Amino acid sequence: EPEVTQTPSHQVTQMGQEVILRCVPISNHLYFYWYRQILGQKVEFLVSFYNNEISEKSEIFDDQFSVERPDGSNFTLKIRSTKLEDSAMYFCASSEITGDTEAFFGQGTRLTVV
Amino acid sequence: QQQVKQSPQSLIVQKGGISIINCAYENTAFDYFPWYQQFPGKGPALLIAIRPDVSEKKEGRFTISFNKSAKQFSLHIMDSQPGDSATYFCAASLINDYKLSFGAGTTVTVRA
Repeated sequence: EPEVTQTPSHQVTQMGQEVILRCVPISNHLYFYWYRQILGQKVEFLVSFYNNEISEKSEIFDDQFSVERPDGSNFTLKIRSTKLEDSAMYFCASSEITGDTEAFFGQGTRLTVV
Repeated sequence: QQQVKQSPQSLIVQKGGISIINCAYENTAFDYFPWYQQFPGKGPALLIAIRPDVSEKKEGRFTISFNKSAKQFSLHIMDSQPGDSATYFCAASLINDYKLSFGAGTTVTVRA
């Protein structure tokens, strides 16, 4: 069964450092997303990406965040200068089209900023 | 703004019992309401979804009930099994926009 894969599963970084979280969406999917889940809180939308550009972003997704699809298979989330409050589980998701089709989520990357 | 409110935060049910999770939404433009199941260390996985043109959808032991006028929807897990122990999230979005607004989640524990 096709799945969304994320690497690494756990990333520990120093405050102020840059991190890149990587995702390989399902191959025939066209829409890509990043969500995050702070420990004990709900899953929050960060950004959606379609046709090599951001289609929508939340207020959480400020200038410290960027996304990229560098090579047609990977989809990355970069945090330029990490803060303690960026510590969370980050989920990548992809869907074939938008609307009432299933978004498949990866297993997540746990980011710990120390 | 909390667009989707979910309750209870957690529940414990005996094997064979019924688990009921409730959600309420604010945005009347929402027209897609999925439920996600999440096991520890895994990402959310779609369990069942409903659109507002029907009041109920059933898939196996899982049923969504939808009340458009009250802006509420609920998940019923019939004949709950220990393998159903997980965190369940309701969510909502516009049909042409996959920006999901999630509820806070309900941790369900099924005791054998």
